[in-house]
Amino acid sequence: GAGVSQSPSNKVTEKGKDVELRCDPISGHTALYWYRQSLGQGLEFLIYFQGNSAPDKSGLPSDRFSAERTGGSVSTLTIQRTQQEDSAVYLCASSEGWSADTQYFGPGTRLTVL
Amino acid sequence: GENVEQHPSTLSVQEGDSAVIKCTYSDSASNYFPWYKQELGKRPQLIIDIRSNMDKRQGQRVTVLLNKTVKHLSLQIAATQPGDSAVYFCAERGDDKIIFGKGTRLHILP
Repeated sequence: GAGVSQSPSNKVTEKGKDVELRCDPISGHTALYWYRQSLGQGLEFLIYFQGNSAPDKSGLPSDRFSAERTGGSVSTLTIQRTQQEDSAVYLCASSEGWSADTQYFGPGTRLTVL
Repeated sequence: GENVEQHPSTLSVQEGDSAVIKCTYSDSASNYFPWYKQELGKRPQLIIDIRSNMDKRQGQRVTVLLNKTVKHLSLQIAATQPGDSAVYFCAERGDDKIIFGKGTRLHILP
């Protein structure tokens, strides 16, 4: 079956604009994760969903970031009033559940804020 | 604060030799430790993992060791090949968070 997909693959935006990033997890996977990876850096964990619920939102970098998941499937990560430091690759992953070992990553969305 | 220290940040190894990457984690309650490989321009992929009730796990050419007493993890890649060139990340998973190390860039020299 299909893997994790993300859209758009690339997004260039102007500082101050809002952006919405989308993640389609593997069908049946109840856990969904968002990460940020800046150029040459490691993976920064942002948030995870178990079903439609996010138990801990403290990993989001600021209150300009929000995420939601509806129907236990697609998730959107929204960044309001984008700043240049938001430029990064945003990766989504899914797994069968939080306790499941293997996370499957999507191809990422490369966000560039001018 | 919570963090995972990973070193070295860069490692060059002659093809055929072993490579060892080490991590120190902070949360004694963490119960799962995956290792990911990320080739240039590609997404991370799980290569091996270990749970807190184990102290060693072996794959085909990879071995992971876990010392819970001192919160140390290590990954050994034996008989390295050119395709092993990538960035490797360790991570710890606790109740509601996953924390990654900053990665080790492994170069396999011909």
